[in-house]
Amino acid sequence: GNSVTQMEGPVTLSEEAFLTINCTYTATGYPSLFWYVQYPGEGLQLLLKATKADDKGSNKGFEATYRKETTSFHLEKGSVQVSDSAVYFCALRGYNTDKLIFGTGTRLQVFP
Amino acid sequence: KAGVTQTPRYLIKTRGQQVTLSCSPISGHRSVSWYQQTPGQGLQFLFEYFSETQRNKGNFPGRFSGRQFSNSRSEMNVSTLELGDSALYLCASSLRTDNTEAFFGQGTRLTVV
Repeated sequence: GNSVTQMEGPVTLSEEAFLTINCTYTATGYPSLFWYVQYPGEGLQLLLKATKADDKGSNKGFEATYRKETTSFHLEKGSVQVSDSAVYFCALRGYNTDKLIFGTGTRLQVFP
Repeated sequence: KAGVTQTPRYLIKTRGQQVTLSCSPISGHRSVSWYQQTPGQGLQFLFEYFSETQRNKGNFPGRFSGRQFSNSRSEMNVSTLELGDSALYLCASSLRTDNTEAFFGQGTRLTVV
């Protein structure tokens, strides 16, 4: 079945450092891929998405490229801020369904 | 426009009781999905509804049930509550067309004592 694997956290960085959170997936067909972010006490917010191979999703300085050859969708940001501290979830959605399959989440802590 | 609204935000129940959680999707959205979030199991899919029909169901016992009304509002019910049902229950809505995204509510925090 479909699945998502995310790197374990927490990831601890200093402000302005470069961020990478790895995400790989297993799926049949051509899933859509997403990164969601969850701030303390909140629900999930969509950060970015990509719906086909080689698409690059981007938002608020975050980027991720849909790599079919490596089945990956790694999240990157060139310069993190303290306000980026949150839990990040990689997710996939298969064809003709709204069901999302999530990774385990990666907690990011950014210190000034 | 208003986002996804989940009520109540917090709930404390006793083992053996039942509970009903409500989700009002974004206006115009016809698809509603439910997820359970726990520290141990992460985010797990419960149900997906579209136009009052359940399209998908996750791997949860029959104590977990749901429904969707003609106005797209959805409810989920958990009967005979167990301590392990303590979780954040999240609802998401979407337009249900190609390339749409799911918008999540803030969730209902259920504590079973």
